[in-house]
Amino acid sequence: DAMVIQNPRYQVTQFGKPVTLSCSQTLNHNVMYWYQQKSSQAPKLLFHYYDKDFNNEADTPDNFQSRRPNTSFCFLDIRSPGLGDAAMYLCATSRPPIHQPQHFGDGTRLSIL
Amino acid sequence: DQQVKQNSPSLSVQEGRISILNCDYTNSMFDYFLWYKKYPAEGPTFLISISSIKDKNEDGRFTVFLNKSAKHLSLHIVPSQPGDSAVYFCAAKERGSNYKLTFGKGTLLTVNP
Repeated sequence: DAMVIQNPRYQVTQFGKPVTLSCSQTLNHNVMYWYQQKSSQAPKLLFHYYDKDFNNEADTPDNFQSRRPNTSFCFLDIRSPGLGDAAMYLCATSRPPIHQPQHFGDGTRLSIL
Repeated sequence: DQQVKQNSPSLSVQEGRISILNCDYTNSMFDYFLWYKKYPAEGPTFLISISSIKDKNEDGRFTVFLNKSAKHLSLHIVPSQPGDSAVYFCAAKERGSNYKLTFGKGTLLTVNP
């Protein structure tokens, strides 16, 4: 089945140690998103790509970066994770036109030691 | 500053009865609204949407109502089934904002057999 796959499902890293989360899709969608969801909070958009065009939300910390080497893959890099970065990270995809729904992966839960 | 509010963290209903999930918003620039359903350990899945030019959209057991003057929307599930037990997220898109969705915190629906 076509889908959005996030690896790993659970990631533990040390305070300050860089970590990369990955997302792949078989839907061939133009748009890919990264959301952060903390416990009992709303998912919050960090950034999205339309093809190779990167769109950063104004309040996304500089500590968060993203790469999209091709249509299928997108990575979230956290350069120096702090305790406050512990959260569920959700990847999603969609295709134009603009009102097409987003398809989500199952998320990566990030813990910081 | 929450622009999309789901004031009920949880809701419990009996199988066969109606479930009504509510969502309020503050941003008058929102022009498109979506509901997502999320099971534990899975990503959100799209359920139903409505444009601001409409006041109702129906899809099988699911109906979304939009009251623009009150900045309120609701999701009705009739009849409710135990498989509907999940977290329901309300989300909104702002006119002119390409692709960004603003989510509420979600409401946990439990349908009791």
